[in-house]
Amino acid sequence: GAVVSQHPSWVICKSGTSVKIECRSLDFQATTMFWYRQFPKQSLMLMATSNEGSKATYEQGVEKDKFLINHASLTLSTLTVTSAHPEDSSFYICSARKSSYEQYFGPGTRLTVT
Amino acid sequence: AQRVTQPEKLLSVFKGAPVELKCNYSYSGSPELFWYVQYSRQRLQLLLRHISRESIKGFTADLNKGETSFHLKKPFAQEEDSAMYYCALSFNQGGKLIFGQGTELSVKP
Repeated sequence: GAVVSQHPSWVICKSGTSVKIECRSLDFQATTMFWYRQFPKQSLMLMATSNEGSKATYEQGVEKDKFLINHASLTLSTLTVTSAHPEDSSFYICSARKSSYEQYFGPGTRLTVT
Repeated sequence: AQRVTQPEKLLSVFKGAPVELKCNYSYSGSPELFWYVQYSRQRLQLLLRHISRESIKGFTADLNKGETSFHLKKPFAQEEDSAMYYCALSFNQGGKLIFGQGTELSVKP
């Protein structure tokens, strides 16, 4: 199978601090990973496309300076929420693209900013 | 702009009844459509893609380009089908997915 992990599974941080979320493809290489945000009982909103070895592509309305994405290897992408505020509290989900039509999702990371 | 619409937020049926989860999309080109399912406390997983034209867990979905729809159907719902279902559209080779709002399916015994 194809497994994608995320770490941490949940995190609480204070307002103004930064938090890093990792997304790893455990048994395949992924040149492309995606980051989504999901609110309770709502849809997934695509935030950005993470490309290995190049800059991420952000969706309209997503602040690239606030949500820093780094895709340093073929199995790891990180999302750093900088200067977090309570409104950034959400469920963040990553996915990794294995082939042209295969995309596997991580279990998600719940971020709570106090 | 590309958009996916799932008009029903919640669909409740009894076990053994037929179920149809609606999905409409807007895209002028040739889209690739998917259905994803998220069971309670589990991650999102692929259920169907229109190109494969297969039946998974008794579910089928047919792409109707004239009506721009990709409804998900199952003739006899089971309690284990209870989950959130998301219709998604991919419109380029890059794999970017646009999700609908999701429909919560509740199958009662």
